[in-house]
Amino acid sequence: KAGVTQTPRYLIKTRGQQVTLSCSPISGHRSVSWYQQTPGQGLQFLFEYFSETQRNKGNFPGRFSGRQFSNSRSEMNVSTLELGDSALYLCASSLGGNEKLFFGSGTQLSVL
Amino acid sequence: EDQVTQSPEALRLQEGESSSLNCSYTVSGLRGLFWYRQDPGKGPEFLFTLYSAGEEKEKERLKATLTKKESFLHITAPKPEDSATYLCAVQKTEKLVFGKGTKLTVNP
Repeated sequence: KAGVTQTPRYLIKTRGQQVTLSCSPISGHRSVSWYQQTPGQGLQFLFEYFSETQRNKGNFPGRFSGRQFSNSRSEMNVSTLELGDSALYLCASSLGGNEKLFFGSGTQLSVL
Repeated sequence: EDQVTQSPEALRLQEGESSSLNCSYTVSGLRGLFWYRQDPGKGPEFLFTLYSAGEEKEKERLKATLTKKESFLHITAPKPEDSATYLCAVQKTEKLVFGKGTKLTVNP
């Protein structure tokens, strides 16, 4: 059974640009969550989607947005990139209830 | 405010030297406490879920316990391959609140 797949693995962008990250969940999983991981703040919750609806959102500015498609695949977009957006962005999937999350290997974003 | 604090930040052990990692939390409406392991360059890998005080779970050399305010991850006779960052997280609604992790290094 394939795991959670995130693309691309690495990204380098400059300030002011925008970026789109992609996540394919485990087959059958309907919930997709996104987390930002930095050395200083650790893992912080961005948002969670279930059946194409955003169910929960973290404390991030509106520049961070996401969506989920009917096949459960998800994308995350960051507009007007800032240096502080440099981080590892992790996607996780689950069946949708109160159970464990399966994480992808992440997209390492560097903003120059 | 919901908080998860892990200690120590880093821990160095000799192979075979048992120890414990701590995760203390303050959160209302706890739905579960999770332990994950993260290797460099990879996403977190699930280890355990604990739901109520007094619950314990074991997997190979790892044992997780839960009280009303904290959880412990006990590592018995660790091996070098146990070296990783161990993350604790509490579940609230559909999101996890993570601690900053304990980086464990086991020397041969």
